[in-house]
Amino acid sequence: QKEVEQDPGPLSVPEGAIVSLNCTYSNSAFQYFMWYRQYSRKGPELLMYTYSSGNKEDGRFTAQVDKSSKYISLFIRDSQPSDSATYLCAMGSLIQGAQKLVFGQGTRLTINP
Amino acid sequence: GAGVSQSPSNKVTEKGKDVELRCDPISGHTALYWYRQSLGQGLEFLIYFQGNSAPDKSGLPSDRFSAERTGGSVSTLTIQRTQQEDSAVYLCASSLPRTDTQYFGPGTRLTVL
Repeated sequence: QKEVEQDPGPLSVPEGAIVSLNCTYSNSAFQYFMWYRQYSRKGPELLMYTYSSGNKEDGRFTAQVDKSSKYISLFIRDSQPSDSATYLCAMGSLIQGAQKLVFGQGTRLTINP
Repeated sequence: GAGVSQSPSNKVTEKGKDVELRCDPISGHTALYWYRQSLGQGLEFLIYFQGNSAPDKSGLPSDRFSAERTGGSVSTLTIQRTQQEDSAVYLCASSLPRTDTQYFGPGTRLTVL
């Protein structure tokens, strides 16, 4: 079993829809939780990060963490075609001064105009 | 300022040849990470540098893989006697020490024929 599980999709929704992306994890030692967005042929860029259970909102994006269930989500409101990308969840720990990240497989999202 | 840069952007090589992949981190970033992203897979951690030393090489898949960093800046990932299963996108990321955000380069797409 992988440490981080993420449905690879693909997921296709109409413009304006609410998108829900999810990951589960098995290692309770993870200290922080991140979502990266990766456009085609580009490197990942950090979208959201949080340390604790609960919700964190940034514009149209909300990151939700439930440590008791080992489950994290990313919600995108009023989705736009420019949101079309692969979304990667990542779980991290600080070990020997290094940020040790474990990534999910990534979910490919397409927003249709 | 400039982001993380990687070269070459694409590399096609024949099985058995050696390849060198280069990463130029963001100026002042002492932490540097190498990852591998295979088709349909999440990012797989390879190695971490703090300055010129590599305290964590645990992700290198075999002794054909090695990496070095000089002057606390540029890093080179070398793959000797390449195999077809080495075909992937190799991503480099850098960060300030003990911080949350890794900034990724665009990656080098390696194809081994």
